[in-house]
Amino acid sequence: AQSVAQPEDQVNVAEGNPLTVKCTYSVSGNPYLFWYVQYPNRGLQFLLKYITGDNLVKGSYGFEAEFNKSQTSFHLKKPSALVSDSALYFCAVRANTGGFKTIFGAGTRLFVKA
Amino acid sequence: ETGVTQTPRHLVMGMTNKKSLKCEQHLGHNAMYWYKQSAKKPLELMFVYSLEERVENNSVPSRFSPECPNSSHLFLHLHTLQPEDSALYLCASSPGLGTDTQYFGPGTRLTVL
Repeated sequence: AQSVAQPEDQVNVAEGNPLTVKCTYSVSGNPYLFWYVQYPNRGLQFLLKYITGDNLVKGSYGFEAEFNKSQTSFHLKKPSALVSDSALYFCAVRANTGGFKTIFGAGTRLFVKA
Repeated sequence: ETGVTQTPRHLVMGMTNKKSLKCEQHLGHNAMYWYKQSAKKPLELMFVYSLEERVENNSVPSRFSPECPNSSHLFLHLHTLQPEDSALYLCASSPGLGTDTQYFGPGTRLTVL
């Protein structure tokens, strides 16, 4: 069965510092991995995805994520955090074995302090 | 802003009421989804439609009834709900069912009294 774990409910970072939001997954076969962000009173917004190829994926707003197959991880990173990055971040996984159900994590709330 | 709109944005209903949530996508996508978002829980996939045909019914109680009259519109009909059904209901669409990114609407905040 597919699953996604976001081990931190909340991440606190000072503006200008690098940030990491962690995600590990479990899936049969090779994974398709996604990161979405949700701002208050809004739906989820796509940030980036890994399908195949280069393990380092670059996305919107300066975010990037690294696919690590041996550690089954897909951590979200940004070199320099902005206050406006404060939001709820969701990691998601889908198996490439013909299924179409995307499994989402519980979300990690990011607070960036000025 | 995302091309997926949902109405109403907020809904308060009693346990004996019947109401419907509406979702419309202006992106020309073929797949549409309903999700339930509760605090500190993963998004729960409820229903998936592809080309107006339901392809996933994720063990959702029958008090939730989806309808997809065409590829642009998706409804969620609600009746005799329970207080634990209070949540944010999100609609999403995607070009297809493969590796495609999903585009989400802003959600309907439902409160069941």
